[in-house]
Amino acid sequence: GAVVSQHPSWVICKSGTSVKIECRSLDFQATTMFWYRQFPKQSLMLMATSNEGSKATYEQGVEKDKFLINHASLTLSTLTVTSAHPEDSSFYICSASPSAGLAGMYNEQFFGPGTRLTVL
Amino acid sequence: GDSVTQMEGPVTLSEEAFLTINCTYTATGYPSLFWYVQYPGEGLQLLLKATKADDKGSNKGFEATYRKETTSFHLEKGSVQVSDSAVYFCALSVRSQFYFGTGTSLTVIP
Repeated sequence: GAVVSQHPSWVICKSGTSVKIECRSLDFQATTMFWYRQFPKQSLMLMATSNEGSKATYEQGVEKDKFLINHASLTLSTLTVTSAHPEDSSFYICSASPSAGLAGMYNEQFFGPGTRLTVL
Repeated sequence: GDSVTQMEGPVTLSEEAFLTINCTYTATGYPSLFWYVQYPGEGLQLLLKATKADDKGSNKGFEATYRKETTSFHLEKGSVQVSDSAVYFCALSVRSQFYFGTGTSLTVIP
């Protein structure tokens, strides 16, 4: 149980286009989802915290208008990279935190497999 | 503030060697502690976790004990295999926020 999927797993796009990445919790409900960015050989950098039905909370230095986050349901959050440029190329990872009541899962996040974005 | 300090790599070991990757933390409150593993080109997989002091997490021969007195959660394995080559991340969770260490790259050679 507690599986998180991401789609697509990799995407190549032209500079100036927008790319949408989906994050789904497959067998649990997640009030909160998180989006991370990982540069090669580095740790994860939290970009934003997404709460179902409300606006996302962005970390300092992350452009809200560049990285649009929508958490429309308890099982789906999307990250849209708008007007992508080569410097946006990275590995994007989402995670989901189970809603209250899921026994044994307190304080835990479940990670998706990641999406590799390459902007040409 | 809350943070995790992890042993820097890269670490290279021969097969069947003993592995230790150090991790210490700073946190207010009562954090949960985790080790994640990331294989090349993949996302993070939970390796093991501990939710309170003196708990020992274990999985696939890896172990880590939550030591409150030394604020540590060192990862150990008695005999590593080539398939253990990956990047290992120590993390803590407190008040629904996650904090990751910088990751330690492990390469096991035959």
